[in-house]
Amino acid sequence: EAAVTQSPRNKVAVTGGKVTLSCNQTNNHNNMYWYRQDTGHGLRLIHYSYGAGSTEKGDIPDGYKASRPSQENFSLILELATPSQTSVYFCASGDAPGGNSGNTLYFGEGSRLIVV
Amino acid sequence: GDSVTQTEGLVTLTEGLPVMLNCTYQTIYSNPFLFWYVQHLNESPRLLLKSFTDNKRTEHQGFHATLHKSSSSFHLQKSSAQLSDSALYYCALSDWQGGRALIFGTGTTVSVSP
Repeated sequence: EAAVTQSPRNKVAVTGGKVTLSCNQTNNHNNMYWYRQDTGHGLRLIHYSYGAGSTEKGDIPDGYKASRPSQENFSLILELATPSQTSVYFCASGDAPGGNSGNTLYFGEGSRLIVV
Repeated sequence: GDSVTQTEGLVTLTEGLPVMLNCTYQTIYSNPFLFWYVQHLNESPRLLLKSFTDNKRTEHQGFHATLHKSSSSFHLQKSSAQLSDSALYYCALSDWQGGRALIFGTGTTVSVSP
């Protein structure tokens, strides 16, 4: 069974503070992703990575940075948190393209962030 | 750009009735891969079913969908809804070869009552 774990699961941060959301996967997948989930917007892609050392901007990268120091770990960093970044954040890993997989994603449990 | 449209934000129905959730997409991919993910309350999204084969019915856990490239659609159906089907359903798009990140629709919440 695919395993993606996120920490922290819940976080309250102050405006202007720094927040780091961490994600670890034991699937040995090359691809990892950060999405945020908001009512009415669905899941929106923030950053993603094709492997250790690589990060790519998704559809809504402003205000976020990402770091992929290893195959297993992918972090999302909010250098200056704002209330508009209050959301539920999901990390996911995906297997290789092609074949029958089509880049199926396996999601972590989610991290609920409140910025006050 | 690429996009996925789910027209219903909320679907409410009675147990035993059929379910149909609409999904249409726009893409530059010549070989799109379409997915349905389901997310129950306080859980994370998980794959329900997927397809990249044109006009072939795909089934899983009582749900089915058929990718129609001619109409850019991938509607989700079930013949008889159960209370446990109450959840948030996402349609998503990727390409088969490039491994691009999934693009999700805005989701459809299904609420099934007795």
